[in-house]
Amino acid sequence: GNSVTQMEGPVTLSEEAFLTINCTYTATGYPSLFWYVQYPGEGLQLLLKATKADDKGSNKGFEATYRKETTSFHLEKGSVQVSDSAVYFCAQSNRDDKIIFGKGTRLHILP
Amino acid sequence: SQTIHQWPATLVQPVGSPLSLECTVEGTSNPNLYWYRQAAGRGLQLLFYSVGIGQISSEVPQNLSASRPQDRQFILSSKKLLLSDSGFYLCAWSAQGVGTEAFFGQGTRLTVV
Repeated sequence: GNSVTQMEGPVTLSEEAFLTINCTYTATGYPSLFWYVQYPGEGLQLLLKATKADDKGSNKGFEATYRKETTSFHLEKGSVQVSDSAVYFCAQSNRDDKIIFGKGTRLHILP
Repeated sequence: SQTIHQWPATLVQPVGSPLSLECTVEGTSNPNLYWYRQAAGRGLQLLFYSVGIGQISSEVPQNLSASRPQDRQFILSSKKLLLSDSGFYLCAWSAQGVGTEAFFGQGTRLTVV
């Protein structure tokens, strides 16, 4: 069945460091891909998305590119801030309308 | 604008008691509706989803059930709670169509004692 695998956390970085959180998927067909973020004490909110191969989603300095050949959607940010500390979830949706999430990656940014 | 309401925010229930969590969506019609459980180390587990009234798909065999009595209402139930049902339950909706994102409620923290 369809699934999403993302790197285990927690990830701890210093402020202004480069961030990569890996995400790969398995799916029949070509799903839409998403990154969600959950800040401490808050609900989940969409960070960015891509709906077809080679699309790049971007928001708040974060980027992710839909790579069909490697079935990946890695999240990147060039210079992280303390305020980026949160849990990040990779997700996919397919034609069956199911939205499936990965296990989440907790990110800690140190000042 | 669309809004999603989920209640209660927290709930403490004894083992063996029934459960009913309710979720409603406003400002849209015929949404897809979802129930997820969030547990530490297990991420967001899809429990049920619905593409229309009375249409429920179950993803994980368990002690829970879901119903959609109205277009914008989604209910998560149990006849007898187990300790293992404790967790954080999230309701979400998405618009019909390919590539639409999910919008989440604030969640219910359920503790079974």
